[in-house]
Amino acid sequence: QKEVEQNSGPLSVPEGAIASLNCTYSDRGSQSFFWYRQYSGKSPELIMFIYSNGDKEDGRFTAQLNKASQYVSLLIRDSQPSDSATYLCAVNTGGFKTIFGAGTRLFVKA
Amino acid sequence: DTGVSQDPRHKITKRGQNVTFRCDPISEHNRLYWYRQTLGQGPEFLTYFQNEAQLEKSRLLSDRFSAERPKGSFSTLEIQRTEQGDSAMYLCASSRDENQPQHFGDGTRLSIL
Repeated sequence: QKEVEQNSGPLSVPEGAIASLNCTYSDRGSQSFFWYRQYSGKSPELIMFIYSNGDKEDGRFTAQLNKASQYVSLLIRDSQPSDSATYLCAVNTGGFKTIFGAGTRLFVKA
Repeated sequence: DTGVSQDPRHKITKRGQNVTFRCDPISEHNRLYWYRQTLGQGPEFLTYFQNEAQLEKSRLLSDRFSAERPKGSFSTLEIQRTEQGDSAMYLCASSRDENQPQHFGDGTRLSIL
């Protein structure tokens, strides 16, 4: 089992819809959770982070964390074609160690 | 924040040559990380510095790889006797603390001919 798992996609949604991206992790002691957006050929860009169970909203983005289920998700409301990218889930398992998933590719159709 | 800066952006070299990459972290960040990313994968951890101390190295980092962070400021990653399998994007990131968000530079894309 990979330490951080994501569906590779592609996930295709129409413009204006809600995109739901999911991530599971194996280390129950994980404390910090991050979502990065990566456009093709570019470096990862931080878009959300969450430390506590529940929801955290920032503009069109909502991160959801359920530590009991070892599950973290990212919702993108009113998806735009410019949101088309690969979304990386990253989990800090303690100390310096942050493990990245392989990413989910999102396509938003105009 | 001026952001994390990496140089060069692209490096093309022949197999067997040595290459060196530079990373300048965000100025108030004392944690610095190097990652390698290949197509379709997430960033893979290579090494970590807290100030000038290199506290962890991945087993991915063979003896051909070395990293330094003199005086706890910029860092360099050197690859000696490059191999085809070293072709990848090399990413540098920095953070204020270990469980704080890491901010990435633009990366250095290495191509081995």
